[in-house]
Amino acid sequence: AQSVTQPDIHITVSEGASLELRCNYSYGATPYLFWYVQSPGQGLQLLLKYFSGDTLVQGIKGFEAEFKRSQSSFNLRKPSVHWSDAAEYFCAVGVAGKFYFGSGTKLNVKP
Amino acid sequence: DAGVIQSPRHEVTEMGQEVTLRCKPISGHNSLFWYRQTMMRGLELLIYFNNNVPIDDSGMPEDRFSAKMPNASFSTLKIQPSEPRDSAVYFCASSYVGANTEAFFGQGTRLTVV
Repeated sequence: AQSVTQPDIHITVSEGASLELRCNYSYGATPYLFWYVQSPGQGLQLLLKYFSGDTLVQGIKGFEAEFKRSQSSFNLRKPSVHWSDAAEYFCAVGVAGKFYFGSGTKLNVKP
Repeated sequence: DAGVIQSPRHEVTEMGQEVTLRCKPISGHNSLFWYRQTMMRGLELLIYFNNNVPIDDSGMPEDRFSAKMPNASFSTLKIQPSEPRDSAVYFCASSYVGANTEAFFGQGTRLTVV
């Protein structure tokens, strides 16, 4: 069965520091991969997606993610975090038309 | 496009009552999903429609839950009778299968069953 693992439930970083959120998936082939962000009381907004090609993908708000097939990982990064990045981040895989989500990582940003 | 539209945004109901959540997907999308989000279980896929037909309802927790999609522009998720443990945020999402695209989410309905 497909699964998405986000090992970090909470992460706190200082404003201006770099960020990496981890995501591992379990699936026989390479699925479509996504990162979404959810602010409190809001729906999920797409940050970036990977379907094929270049394994480093750029997204909105200065985020990027790297697909590593050998590690079944799709980690999200940002070189310098802003206070407005505080939110919950979800990794997702798309398989056979359906989308499966990890449990999310809550990002706290210290001033 | 206005995006995926869900109504109501908030619903408070008493245990045992029937609850109906509504969703209007993005025009042109051929897939629709209902998700439930709770602190304990995260985002769970409840049911997936393709071209208005339920393809996978294995995530529907109990027979108290039912979902319909009578046409391409409308879907409902019904809980009858509702129980306090159904309290959660319910999201509807739509997508276009066959193209390299993501799921687009509505704002969600926060359901509280007292």
